[in-house]
Amino acid sequence: AQSVTQLDSQVPVFEEAPVELRCNYSSSVSVYLFWYVQYPNQGLQLLLKYLSGSTLVKGINGFEAEFNKSQTSFHLRKPSVHISDTAEYFCAVSLYNFNKFYFGSGTKLNVKP
Amino acid sequence: SQTIHQWPATLVQPVGSPLSLECTVEGTSNPNLYWYRQAAGRGLQLLFYSVGIGQISSEVPQNLSASRPQDRQFILSSKKLLLSDSGFYLCAWSAGFEAFFGQGTRLTVV
Repeated sequence: AQSVTQLDSQVPVFEEAPVELRCNYSSSVSVYLFWYVQYPNQGLQLLLKYLSGSTLVKGINGFEAEFNKSQTSFHLRKPSVHISDTAEYFCAVSLYNFNKFYFGSGTKLNVKP
Repeated sequence: SQTIHQWPATLVQPVGSPLSLECTVEGTSNPNLYWYRQAAGRGLQLLFYSVGIGQISSEVPQNLSASRPQDRQFILSSKKLLLSDSGFYLCAWSAGFEAFFGQGTRLTVV
């Protein structure tokens, strides 16, 4: 079975500081990895995805993530956050056939001025 | 381009009443379709997914059911709502490589 763990339910950070949101997964087969962002009362928007190739993936809004197979992690990073980055972030995995997407419990990023 | 429509945006229903949430996708054919529920502090839980018309897979036992009467239409239903059915329901579609989400329905059962 596949599972996704986001250990940090909330991450407070000051504006222009760097941030890392952690994601670990478990799976007995190869998976594809995603980060989504959700603003209040809205659907989810894709930030970035890892399918294959380079383990460092760059996404929208200055975010990037690194796939680490040995540590089964896919942490999301941004070198300098803005107030507008305040949102909830979800890590997700999908199997090779993309029939299912499993999500972590989410991390609320609160950027303070 | 592809779009996904989900309605209504908000819904308040009494306990024991029926439920019908509808989701339609435009601009693609034979998509995989999904219903997720987001309860406060609990992330997204996959409720149902469908790989084709009439093909529904349930992930968790519950008071809800899903149907796919047409290729790009996915309906979430209940005959009698429970208080525990309250939450934010999200429809999504995928044709491979990523999932695209609707704007969600906030359901409050009172």
